[in-house]
Amino acid sequence: GENVEQHPSTLSVQEGDSAVIKCTYSDSASNYFPWYKQELGKRPQLIIDIRSNVGEKKDQRIAVTLNKTAKHFSLHITETQPEDSAVYFCAAVPSNYQLIWGAGTKLIIKP
Amino acid sequence: NAGVMQNPRHLVRRRGQEARLRCSPMKGHSHVYWYRQLPEEGLKFMVYLQKENIIDESGMPKERFSAEFPKEGPSILRIQQVVRGDSAAYFCASSPTQGDTGELFFGEGSRLTVL
Repeated sequence: GENVEQHPSTLSVQEGDSAVIKCTYSDSASNYFPWYKQELGKRPQLIIDIRSNVGEKKDQRIAVTLNKTAKHFSLHITETQPEDSAVYFCAAVPSNYQLIWGAGTKLIIKP
Repeated sequence: NAGVMQNPRHLVRRRGQEARLRCSPMKGHSHVYWYRQLPEEGLKFMVYLQKENIIDESGMPKERFSAEFPKEGPSILRIQQVVRGDSAAYFCASSPTQGDTGELFFGEGSRLTVL
């Protein structure tokens, strides 16, 4: 079955710098890759997603890239701000319905 | 649209008691998913339901745990004879269609503490 690995587990960056979180997946049939942000004590919320027919998608300071050949996708956050501090989860959806989640990355923005 | 509603938000139970967690999906959504999250860990899939049907319960322990999504009313996750290891946040999510076609919308979670 599908397996998603996410790195790093913790990422600390200076405010204003960029942050990159990487995920790899194993099932080449996976076709949908969402990213969720979970603030402390809150629910996960979708921040951006990408489908397998697209290589890159951008929404203001957030972008996601997908390399189908290498089976990896990345989240890029530019000009980081304190409110970006949270845990970020990647996920992949193989041929069935079930999201397979990465273990999460705790992003810390240092002032 | 009120979003995915979960209750109770916090539940305290003693070992051996039963816990019932409820989830009302977003209006128009017929797919419900339950996830468990331990502190400092990721989301673990438990069960996927549609109205009156359990589609996949592969992530749910065979004993003590059960889930339902009746024709009328909320989805319910039931944990019998709770143990301390059941302490976690339980998140419900819903979608209008299967998860591979769009976003999952999460509720605020129910935090179970077993004393």
